[in-house]
Amino acid sequence: SQKIEQNSEALNIQEGKTATLTCNYTNYSPAYLQWYRQDPGRGPVFLLLIRENEKEKRKERLKVTFDTTLKQSLFHITASQPADSATYLCALDGSNAGNMLTFGGGTRLMVKP
Amino acid sequence: NAGVTQTPKFQVLKTGQSMTLQCAQDMNHNSMYWYRQDPGMGLRLIYYSASEGTTDKGEVPNGYNVSRLNKREFSLRLESAAPSQTSVYFCASSDGPGGQETQYFGPGTRLLVL
Repeated sequence: SQKIEQNSEALNIQEGKTATLTCNYTNYSPAYLQWYRQDPGRGPVFLLLIRENEKEKRKERLKVTFDTTLKQSLFHITASQPADSATYLCALDGSNAGNMLTFGGGTRLMVKP
Repeated sequence: NAGVTQTPKFQVLKTGQSMTLQCAQDMNHNSMYWYRQDPGMGLRLIYYSASEGTTDKGEVPNGYNVSRLNKREFSLRLESAAPSQTSVYFCASSDGPGGQETQYFGPGTRLLVL
């Protein structure tokens, strides 16, 4: 069955540095990959979607890459700020019926001033 | 626009009790979803409704039922709550079904089953 892996350990970085989060998947070839942000006690909020034929996508300080050979997506936040501290979830369109999104467990990012 | 709203925000149940979680969206979306989120497990799909009048099982449907009441509302029912159903429940909606669609989430319902 498909498996999505995100680093369950928190990522701690200094303000102003670039944060890089990883999403790996196995037994699967998604056509779409999405990234969401989740703050404590709140629902996830959509950030970016990237298609399998797109290598890279950018939105302001955010950049997502999608390597279908490595079966990996990288999510970068440049010039990180304490306000970027949150949990980031990757999600892939599923191999299940209906191609529903399947979410990874998320990685918590802590940006220290 | 309120987006996706969920009620209640928090609920405590005793084992065997029943309850219904309510969800409504005002974005005229066709598709709606119910997820549960447990520590270290990520979001897992319980049921979804690709369009008004249809519902389908997700990854973890056992112990739950759903009703797509109309285009706006999608409810989740626990007929006989069990401690294993202690979780945070999120409702979401999207313009259409499938992984290419952005999903919009509600604030969640925190359920504790004793």
